[in-house]
Amino acid sequence: DTEVTQTPKHLVMGMTNKKSLKCEQHMGHRAMYWYKQKAKKPPELMFVYSYEKLSINESVPSRFSPECPNSSLLNLHLHALQPEDSALYLCASSFRTGTNYGYTFGSGTRLTVV
Amino acid sequence: QKEVEQNSGPLSVPEGAIASLNCTYSDRVSQSFFWYRQYSGKSPELIMSIYSNGDKEDGRFTAQLNKASQYVSLLIRDSQPSDSATYLCAVLFTQGGSEKLVFGKGTKLTVNP
Repeated sequence: DTEVTQTPKHLVMGMTNKKSLKCEQHMGHRAMYWYKQKAKKPPELMFVYSYEKLSINESVPSRFSPECPNSSLLNLHLHALQPEDSALYLCASSFRTGTNYGYTFGSGTRLTVV
Repeated sequence: QKEVEQNSGPLSVPEGAIASLNCTYSDRVSQSFFWYRQYSGKSPELIMSIYSNGDKEDGRFTAQLNKASQYVSLLIRDSQPSDSATYLCAVLFTQGGSEKLVFGKGTKLTVNP
């Protein structure tokens, strides 16, 4: 298995809803990431988990809450989002062997906040 | 501040030509550099990684790295219409003992038949 799987692929939610995005990988990668990508912009890092511990939070609003229940799974819990939070949310995982570095992206969740 | 700068383009080349994409980065200690291709509505796809000064070739793609100048480039030879996409330069930075991949703004490439 050489993939990062994200579900759902599309999500429409209201501003008062609570929803979760899920990301799964079975490659044994010990670092996992959430990125947010707006149209015509590059991916922007939100969170980094290393060995299931949150290691980087890029000053993301608290309405986004990450969770890493185990080494294969990464969730992003969403609550009270704003329409400007509509974007493609990308999960990624990575490994390092010596000087080589591998980074794999999932196919993303297209989120629309109404 | 960890920054990655790219020529924002757009870049338009005829089919069969060489497309040249450039990128500079802010952190002198960075060691790992990547080029991703992203089609509209899709997730980024890794094309090349480069870690040492010089050139690295893979098929029609050549990545070039100059750490002294903090400069990375990507050449696409014999460009095809299917190469039309946004190309993202990415640099691995270290922050607080963790590593993070930071992307440039991307260069939109159009290859005209």
